[in-house]
Amino acid sequence: RKEVEQDPGPFNVPEGATVAFNCTYSNSASQSFFWYRQDCRKEPKLLMSVYSSGNEDGRFTAQLNRASQYISLLIRDSKLSDSATYLCVVNPQTGGFKTIFGAGTRLFVKA
Amino acid sequence: DTAVSQTPKYLVTQMGNDKSIKCEQNLGHDTMYWYKQDSKKFLKIMFSYNNKELIINETVPNRFSPKSPDKAHLNLHINSLELGDSAVYFCASSQVVSGVTDTQYFGPGTRLTVL
Repeated sequence: RKEVEQDPGPFNVPEGATVAFNCTYSNSASQSFFWYRQDCRKEPKLLMSVYSSGNEDGRFTAQLNRASQYISLLIRDSKLSDSATYLCVVNPQTGGFKTIFGAGTRLFVKA
Repeated sequence: DTAVSQTPKYLVTQMGNDKSIKCEQNLGHDTMYWYKQDSKKFLKIMFSYNNKELIINETVPNRFSPKSPDKAHLNLHINSLELGDSAVYFCASSQVVSGVTDTQYFGPGTRLTVL
């Protein structure tokens, strides 16, 4: 089992749609969780951190389920500009400087 | 001001050559990283430095040698380049608070092509 696994995608959705991505992680001791966004030929950038209580930032909602070891990202009212690759990121251990990136899920939002 | 900068942005070279990539961050972070993103777009950590000390070396061939002259800089030197080294190399930095890694900030990447 991979340390971090994501929906392979690609997801092709129309503008205005709601889309959800899931990510599972294997290490139950993992400490911090993030969603990053990467545009084509660009560097990854933080989209949002994921907190145990769940968190929302505008059209984006992230949730963490420690019992089932997965995190999710929900995008509401998709925009053309949301087209990108979404990377699930997990820091697997306390005191560690290691970060595991998922392989990414490609999203295409079409007019 | 650019938070994390890398040079060069593009690097095209012949097999067997030696090349270096430089990285600098002005965020005051203690921890810096090198990642490799291959043609399948998979981003994999190579090295992590904390306060100039090597913390993580993820089974990277010893042809790759990172050097951190100070907390703001982490360079990557590659000896005897091979075709399989062709990839985009990203530098990143972050704070680690109470053992937990915070947001990582990435440089723009160096696209290395080995011919």
